[in-house]
Amino acid sequence: EAQVTQNPRYLITVTGKKLTVTCSQNMNHEYMSWYRQDPGLGLRQIYYSMNVEVTDKGDVPEGYKVSRKEKRNFPLILESPSPNQTSLYFCASSLSFRPEGNQPQHFGDGTRLSIL
Amino acid sequence: KQEVTQIPAALSVPEGENLVLNCSFTDSAIYNLQWFRQDPGKGLTSLLLIQSSQREQTSGRLNASLDKSSGRSTLYIAASQPGDSATYLCAVRRGNAGNMLTFGGGTRLMVKP
Repeated sequence: EAQVTQNPRYLITVTGKKLTVTCSQNMNHEYMSWYRQDPGLGLRQIYYSMNVEVTDKGDVPEGYKVSRKEKRNFPLILESPSPNQTSLYFCASSLSFRPEGNQPQHFGDGTRLSIL
Repeated sequence: KQEVTQIPAALSVPEGENLVLNCSFTDSAIYNLQWFRQDPGKGLTSLLLIQSSQREQTSGRLNASLDKSSGRSTLYIAASQPGDSATYLCAVRRGNAGNMLTFGGGTRLMVKP
């Protein structure tokens, strides 16, 4: 089954303790992206990757890191989490970023992070 | 800066009604517009994607239209069912790199039996 898998689904942790949210897709997609969803602010893009070893900042990258060493995986790293990073996080992928492809994005089920 | 607005924020209708959800965007220079459905505790499911050169797309009881010049899109749901209850989000692709999407705030739909 084609899917985007995020882990963990839920995490409660404390300020400053490094954490990683994993994202994996099994569709051989070139493009992957991370979003956060907050009440009143909607979905905002954190980082994206157009292919292996190619990553770039989205609208709200501060406090986050990513890596793309393999095509299927795109982990989101919070080196020193703070309470303002409490949010619902989504990973997404699509076949290509090229506009002529017009490929829809496929989303994971989300990771709810609470930073105390 | 692209801004996407969805009206209404919430909508409650009886089962069987036809309904229209609205999405407007401030910058008409878009590559495509996508409608998503989000169920509680779940991710987003892509419903329809309209390319900038298209006027509408249909899938089953769903029909999405796009008027780029006026910065508007509508999602029409025919013969609504309780299973249609969810939050509906529209998103525009605003650039030719990075596939960067700008999302609207969503319309929370409840269809009552």
